[in-house]
Amino acid sequence: GAVVSQHPSRVICKSGTSVKIECRSLDFQATTMFWYRQFPKQSLMLMATSNEGSKATYEQGVEKDKFLINHASLTLSTLTVTSAHPEDSSFYICSARDVYGYTFGSGTRLTVV
Amino acid sequence: KQEVTQIPAALSVPEGENLVLNCSFTDSAIYNLQWFRQDPGKGLTSLLLIQSSQREQTSGRLNASLDKSSGRSTLYIAASQPGDSATYLCAVGRVQGAQKLVFGQGTRLTINP
Repeated sequence: GAVVSQHPSRVICKSGTSVKIECRSLDFQATTMFWYRQFPKQSLMLMATSNEGSKATYEQGVEKDKFLINHASLTLSTLTVTSAHPEDSSFYICSARDVYGYTFGSGTRLTVV
Repeated sequence: KQEVTQIPAALSVPEGENLVLNCSFTDSAIYNLQWFRQDPGKGLTSLLLIQSSQREQTSGRLNASLDKSSGRSTLYIAASQPGDSATYLCAVGRVQGAQKLVFGQGTRLTINP
């Protein structure tokens, strides 16, 4: 089946710094990828839709200047959390749509200290 | 606005029992419905995908049904095993902006040996 690789799995950063998370489709091309955020014991909330070669579409309430998304190729999308603060600490997951449905990465646990 | 609800929020059963997880959605105009499994601190694993034109899908001990008119889906797990312990999420693909998924809050399942 389709595989989506997400890195890093865990990252700890200092408040005010930026963190980049990568999401790669390994054996298929993904023109569209999705970025989700998940708080402890809560469900996934869609943050933005990443489109190859064009600007990302952000969900209402998501700060596009804080969460920068780049989808430069058909197999790579990146999410950069800029000027991170403790309230940005969360579990971030990417996904891509393929012929089987939606395939998800393994997630990134971001802790901002 | 599509809303997805999963009941119960948590379920604990003895090993070997058959069980049913429930998912309901408010807007019957869906593109598809997908059931996922999430282990603690991990990403999502796709279990079953049901297209809007289908009534059910089966994979091994899992069977998922879909009743669009009533806005319900069920995930049936036969002969449960301790390894089935995880959080189960259902997600609805919207017709408008069909690639976006709306997730339920999940059911945390514990199978006791």
